[in-house]
Amino acid sequence: EAGVAQSPRYKIIEKRQSVAFWCNPISGHATLYWYQQILGQGPKLLIQFQNNGVVDDSQLPKDRFSAERLKGVDSTLKIQPAKLEDSAVYLCASSPRTGGWQYFGPGTRLTVT
Amino acid sequence: RKEVEQDPGPFNVPEGATVAFNCTYSNSASQSFFWYRQDCRKEPKLLMSVYSSGNEDGRFTAQLNRASQYISLLIRDSKLSDSATYLCVVTNTGRRALTFGSGTRLQVQP
Repeated sequence: EAGVAQSPRYKIIEKRQSVAFWCNPISGHATLYWYQQILGQGPKLLIQFQNNGVVDDSQLPKDRFSAERLKGVDSTLKIQPAKLEDSAVYLCASSPRTGGWQYFGPGTRLTVT
Repeated sequence: RKEVEQDPGPFNVPEGATVAFNCTYSNSASQSFFWYRQDCRKEPKLLMSVYSSGNEDGRFTAQLNRASQYISLLIRDSKLSDSATYLCVVTNTGRRALTFGSGTRLQVQP
């Protein structure tokens, strides 16, 4: 079974630039999550999708972050404009149902200079 | 107060030692509990779920104490390959995603 795929794996941008990350969940998984993990901290949920609907985006900084999951499969997370404090690893995870354990992708390591 | 709190460590133990980590959570309505393992520069991976009755998987034992709102992980006969960060994870009613602690770093030394 293929795992959660993410791209790019690494990205370096300057502050105020835009960036987008892509995630392809495990086939058949209805629930998709985006997390932000800052060095030395645990992952923090940004947004949760159930199929193509948003379940929880309470911790998403909506003035600069946006996410979509078209057709209930792939998802993209965008930051526009980026700030220095956005430097982190962005993890995508999927699960067959809400509340259960999740499978994580390898993450995208973002550096904002 | 953080929803999920862990001692960041590091815990430095020799091979073969027994080591235990605790994690406390603030929401008494929390429903499900897990331990994840995260290797350096890698993604978190599920280690084990934590049940009220306690559960064991080989050298790993997890316990849940709902009255005191803490979760524990015991690792027996530590191996070098156990060196990693162990993340305590909780799901809460009303927020169905996982809330992670900041992790406890374990370093097993030869």
